[in-house]
Amino acid sequence: AQSVAQPEDQVNVAEGNPLTVKCTYSVSGNPYLFWYVQYPNRGLQFLLKYITGDNLVKGSYGFEAEFNKSQTSFHLKKPSALVSDSALYFCAVRDRGYNFNKFYFGSGTKLNVKP
Amino acid sequence: GAVVSQHPSRVICKSGTSVKIECRSLDFQATTMFWYRQFPKKSLMLMATSNEGSKATYEQGVEKDKFLINHASLTLSTLTVTSAHPEDSSFYICSASSDSPNTEAFFGQGTRLTVV
Repeated sequence: AQSVAQPEDQVNVAEGNPLTVKCTYSVSGNPYLFWYVQYPNRGLQFLLKYITGDNLVKGSYGFEAEFNKSQTSFHLKKPSALVSDSALYFCAVRDRGYNFNKFYFGSGTKLNVKP
Repeated sequence: GAVVSQHPSRVICKSGTSVKIECRSLDFQATTMFWYRQFPKKSLMLMATSNEGSKATYEQGVEKDKFLINHASLTLSTLTVTSAHPEDSSFYICSASSDSPNTEAFFGQGTRLTVV
């Protein structure tokens, strides 16, 4: 079965420090991978995606993510965190195969960036 | 990115009444729309997947007669919560996607439903 894991319920980081939000997946074949951010009482906003090619993907607001096929991971990173990055982050995968219309979301990681 | 508009953003209704939530894709054809419920501890629960012109596919445990989903066109899907009860109070989010597998889903702003 397809699944996505975000092992950290919460990540705390000081402003200006690098941040990493972890995501691992378990899908058959090569998936499409996505990161979304959610601010309070809002829908999810798309940050970035991995489809193919370069394993390091750059997205909105200075975020990037690294696809690691051997570790089945797609961790979200940012070199220097801002207080305004504090939000809820979701990793998602989309199947390439028969169930391509299904998105599988992780449980979300709350990022707290302290001044 | 594409825009998905969800309306209303907040609604308060009396127990026993029905509430309709609309989800519109404003600048692309959404062949598939998804409806989620988000609980206070943040997890997203997929309720159903709807394809334009066909019946929605509900996830296990979601009552299809209570949560009516209609996807009559490539730009509009609606979720109707029928005979709402306080336990239906939640944050409901729609998302829309085209049928290209390498594209992301775009989300509406969400609807905060409170049943009193």
